[in-house]
Amino acid sequence: GAVVSQHPSWVICKSGTSVKIECRSLDFQATTMFWYRQFPKQSLMLMATSNEGSKATYEQGVEKDKFLINHASLTLSTLTVTSAHPEDSSFYICSAVGQANSPLHFGNGTRLTVT
Amino acid sequence: DAKTTQPPSMDCAEGRAANLPCNHSTISGNEYVYWYRQIHSQGPQYIIHGLKNNETNEMASLIITEDRKSSTLILPHATLRDTAVYYCIVRVGSSNTGKLIFGQGTTLQVKP
Repeated sequence: GAVVSQHPSWVICKSGTSVKIECRSLDFQATTMFWYRQFPKQSLMLMATSNEGSKATYEQGVEKDKFLINHASLTLSTLTVTSAHPEDSSFYICSAVGQANSPLHFGNGTRLTVT
Repeated sequence: DAKTTQPPSMDCAEGRAANLPCNHSTISGNEYVYWYRQIHSQGPQYIIHGLKNNETNEMASLIITEDRKSSTLILPHATLRDTAVYYCIVRVGSSNTGKLIFGQGTTLQVKP
């Protein structure tokens, strides 16, 4: 089945530093990838839609300069949390889709802790 | 906002069928119903999806009412490993750019 790999699975960083999270589709080409964030005991919240070769579309209330998304190839999208602060600590999850009307497949998430 | 409503929690006895309901009364004609589940601290796992016909795969069955305003996910023989949060989602848009907006889901507890 379709596999989406996310790296790293967890990261601890100091306040003010930037963190990059990678999302790869391993056995299919993904023209579209999605980035979600999940706080404890809450549901997933969509942050942005990432399209290969174009600028990402951000959901309302998500700062595009804070969460930089790059989708440079059909198998890789990256999310960079810039100048991270403790309130950015969360579980970040990516998903990818290949063909039209096929399911989105999710990575196993990245737990970010900002100290 | 999510276009679906689900009960917050349900219990099921191990070995019995788990029937998880979902209401999506504002669904549009070309919108699919998707089901995912999330086990603690993992990414959501795809279960099944459908448009208007009932669907079955190796994991579950999906029953969609004729008016498409509600659906039921059926896990035929629940095991302890099926304990998870189950999300019923109406996918916005019919192309491969259609996004999934998650609601609060149903926490299914399978008990021995």
